[in-house]
Amino acid sequence: EIVLTQSPATLSLSPGERATLSCRASQSVHINLAWYQQRPGQAPRLLIYDASNRATDIPARFSGSGSGTDFTLTISSLETEDFAVYYCQQRSIWPLTFGPGTKVDVK
Amino acid sequence: EVRLVESGGRFVQPGGSLRLSCATSGFTFNTYAMNWVRQAPGKGLEWISYISFNSDLTYYADSVKGRFTIAGDSAKNLLYLQMNSLRADDTAVYYCARASQYGDSEDYWGQGTLVTVS
Repeated sequence: EIVLTQSPATLSLSPGERATLSCRASQSVHINLAWYQQRPGQAPRLLIYDASNRATDIPARFSGSGSGTDFTLTISSLETEDFAVYYCQQRSIWPLTFGPGTKVDVK
Repeated sequence: EVRLVESGGRFVQPGGSLRLSCATSGFTFNTYAMNWVRQAPGKGLEWISYISFNSDLTYYADSVKGRFTIAGDSAKNLLYLQMNSLRADDTAVYYCARASQYGDSEDYWGQGTLVTVS
């Protein structure tokens, strides 16, 4: 099973600041990595697929990068609605696995 | 508009059984793979099961293998999760999620249904 590690566990920032979230895989997942956002009380929402492709209707301030074992989700300028938990997910090998999440909260 | 609506979650005793349903609309059910993902209270996301678009292929997480069964009914556009031998650590919100056309993500999610085993 591929283990995903996300850092930091919590990121405290102010609106307008840049957020950089990291996801590291225990072995290469190539580009088979997705990012999801989960707001409190809501279902997850797809943000990024294949490491760097934005999903439909996702704002351009969200971007993903990386390949192999190291991946980054960047939010260029935080909006109020971006304060949430972010999960990475690998889709390279069964079972599909998620990282433990990074919570982005208001500083 | 794609919609996924889960139902069937409730309070159940350890060792009991439950069947969850996911009603789908807004897309052709038998052309997409589907998944179940769960989230224990205050915890992260855990993928638990997958079924291919034609139901020929299924996968399960080790934590539910042999106890849970995923199935689809293309005539009714419904996805199911039969859950047997339930344990306290199965307590979670259960989400159904559609796999994208190219299998690169779960692109649509339902709102979830809560299963409490106690």
